Amino acid sequence: NAGVMQNPRHLVRRRGQEARLRCSPMKGHSHVYWYRQLPEEGLKFMVYLQKENIIDESGMPKERFSAEFPKEGPSILRIQQVVRGDSAAYFCAARGLNTEAFFGQGTRLTVV
Amino acid sequence: AQSVTQPDIHITVSEGASLELRCNYSYGATPYLFWYVQSPGQGLQLLLKYFSGDTLVQGIKGFEAEFKRSQSSFNLRKPSVHWSDAAEYFCAVGDDKIIFGKGTRLHILP
Repeated sequence: NAGVMQNPRHLVRRRGQEARLRCSPMKGHSHVYWYRQLPEEGLKFMVYLQKENIIDESGMPKERFSAEFPKEGPSILRIQQVVRGDSAAYFCAARGLNTEAFFGQGTRLTVV
Repeated sequence: AQSVTQPDIHITVSEGASLELRCNYSYGATPYLFWYVQSPGQGLQLLLKYFSGDTLVQGIKGFEAEFKRSQSSFNLRKPSVHWSDAAEYFCAVGDDKIIFGKGTRLHILP
């Protein structure tokens, strides 16, 4: 995984709570992507960020979801007021300039 | 619009047999192409990639893939599969934004 750390690995939230998913790429990998994977489906692109900038958020739901990648610290995917349909595996990928993307192990979110 | 099609949802082959997983893409320019493998409950591991140059690319674990521009394809092959190859395989395309196919789940018969 070339040092892409995601935490937590598993997250359980009650409906209406907030979920915060963290992704720490290795040093020098300033391009970060978030994907959502539902059972029996591929990975759905959500958002592409570079340090402090959102490059492409065409896959993000319009409400409740937000992402950031601050100058210091990990990238955060935040889901407010979670609903059962948010239950999925969320993967972060990171890359440097002109390199392939390396994936983290994912965060499995369960909304109860 | 960019898209990736993996026409086979499931494939079953016998251990030791050859394997080919199909991937077709739609992309506006010369694409970057990737194959990833995912074991249950795990993240994705890059098997191989095509950026430019030789259209036959070698990857890890004995896999190879061939880029055919005329067919918009990037099929993954392995001459002889092992039981440990059972997993889900994803084809992906893109440069800034990487788009994935829906995956092909590979089953291996002993």
